[in-house]
Amino acid sequence: DAGVTQSPTHLIKTRGQQVTLRCSPKSGHDTVSWYQQALGQGPQFIFQYYEEEERQRGNFPDRFSGHQFPNYSSELNVNALLLGDSALYLCASSSRQGGGETQYFGPGTRLLVL
Amino acid sequence: QQQVKQSPQSLIVQKGGISIINCAYENTAFDYFPWYQQFPGKGPALLIAIRPDVSEKKEGRFTISFNKSAKQFSLHIMDSQPGDSATYFCAASTPGNLIFGKGTKLSVKP
Repeated sequence: DAGVTQSPTHLIKTRGQQVTLRCSPKSGHDTVSWYQQALGQGPQFIFQYYEEEERQRGNFPDRFSGHQFPNYSSELNVNALLLGDSALYLCASSSRQGGGETQYFGPGTRLLVL
Repeated sequence: QQQVKQSPQSLIVQKGGISIINCAYENTAFDYFPWYQQFPGKGPALLIAIRPDVSEKKEGRFTISFNKSAKQFSLHIMDSQPGDSATYFCAASTPGNLIFGKGTKLSVKP
C-alpha cells in the first residue's frame, strides 16, 4: 500500500519565479492538506482540498494556490517566489469517511529560493 | 499567536530512561491531539493520538496523558532507545486543520 508521495524531492528556484509541487495521497484517501515547514519549526497549515475545492486556508498570501484533480492528487503553486519561501513543503492526506482528523504526511519537497 | 506551546525545545535522555514532552493549548475547540515523530530529511510520522474525552492512551512504549481542565497534554516515552532520537511535534486539531507546536529535539544517549 503506497503512502503519500511527493515530487520533486528537491527544487532550487530564484526570486520572482513560480513553482509547482505535486502530491499523490495515500490509497483510499480523498483529502489533501499542504503545510510549510521552515527550518527548525513545526509545519504550518497552508490549505486543504476536498472534492477538488479549497475547503480551509491558513494564514498564507494569495501567491500560494492549489488544485485537486479527480484522482485526488494535488498541486501546490507558489508565484513570485520570495527568499522566505525556502522551506520543506509537506503534503498530508486523510479520509473524510474515516473522520478526517488523522493525517499522514509525505516525505516533502525541499524548496530553496536564491 | 501561538496556539500550541511545546516544551522543552531539546531533551537529552540516557538509554532506558523516560522522555517527557509537554504541550499546552489555548483553543477549547480543539478536539484531536496527535503526536508526530520526524527524522531529518523525512516527513512527520504519526505516533499516537488522543481525544479530549480520554485522560490517557498507551501504545507500546508511548503514552499520552491529557488534562482537559488545564488544557495540557504530554508524551511519555518509556525505556527510551537511541533509535528514538528524533524531533517530536505535538499538534491540536479542529477538523481538517492541524496546529503544530515548535517541536522537541530528543537525543537518547547509549
